Amino acid sequence: DIQMTQSPSSLSASVGDRVTITCQASQDIKYYLNWYQRQPGKAPKVLIYDASNLETGVPSRFSGSGSGTYFTFTISSLQPEDIATYYCQQYDDLPLTFGGGTKVEIK
Amino acid sequence: VQLEESGGGLVQRGGSLKLSCAASGFTFSGSAIHWVRQASGKGLEWVGRIKNKANSYATAYTASVRGRFTISRDDSKNTAFLQMNSLKTEDTAVYYCTRLPNSCSGGRCYFDYWGHGTLVTVAS
Repeated sequence: DIQMTQSPSSLSASVGDRVTITCQASQDIKYYLNWYQRQPGKAPKVLIYDASNLETGVPSRFSGSGSGTYFTFTISSLQPEDIATYYCQQYDDLPLTFGGGTKVEIK
Repeated sequence: VQLEESGGGLVQRGGSLKLSCAASGFTFSGSAIHWVRQASGKGLEWVGRIKNKANSYATAYTASVRGRFTISRDDSKNTAFLQMNSLKTEDTAVYYCTRLPNSCSGGRCYFDYWGHGTLVTVAS
């Protein structure tokens, strides 16, 4: 199975801060990586697909980069509505696997 | 697009439960349906999937449920099912159904719609 190691597991930042989350795959997954936002009480929502593509309608402060085994997800200017848990997910091979999640809070 | 899970509840260890996923608003027969679960305080875990008829209704499962869980579908009713047997306490979680394209070889392959989930509690 492909293990997805996501860090940090939680972070606290101020409004306007730049926030970066990393996700490391245990083997080469090319660009087959998605990032989801999970707000309390809501279903996960894809923000970034294929490592760096912004889903339609998602604010441009969200971005993703990387390929192979190392990926990053960035919120360029944290907003109060960004409070959520973020997950990376690979689809290079079955079983599909998620990172452990990063809980983002406002300081 | 809507996906709605049902059938969750409290079951004893070793028991069985069958979850349903009713879909509407899209061509159900053209989609692969996946089940994902989340235990309390834990992250998301992929459980398994079933592809469509054109892909021979191919199923796949994560190792921890293989041989115990079975995914099926009834395209005439736009519904997918997750039959769970020999349940263990570690299967306690909220179970979600979601969809993916049948083939992800071209990229742009992500879970776009999810149900609200149904809680399964396995008591010891």
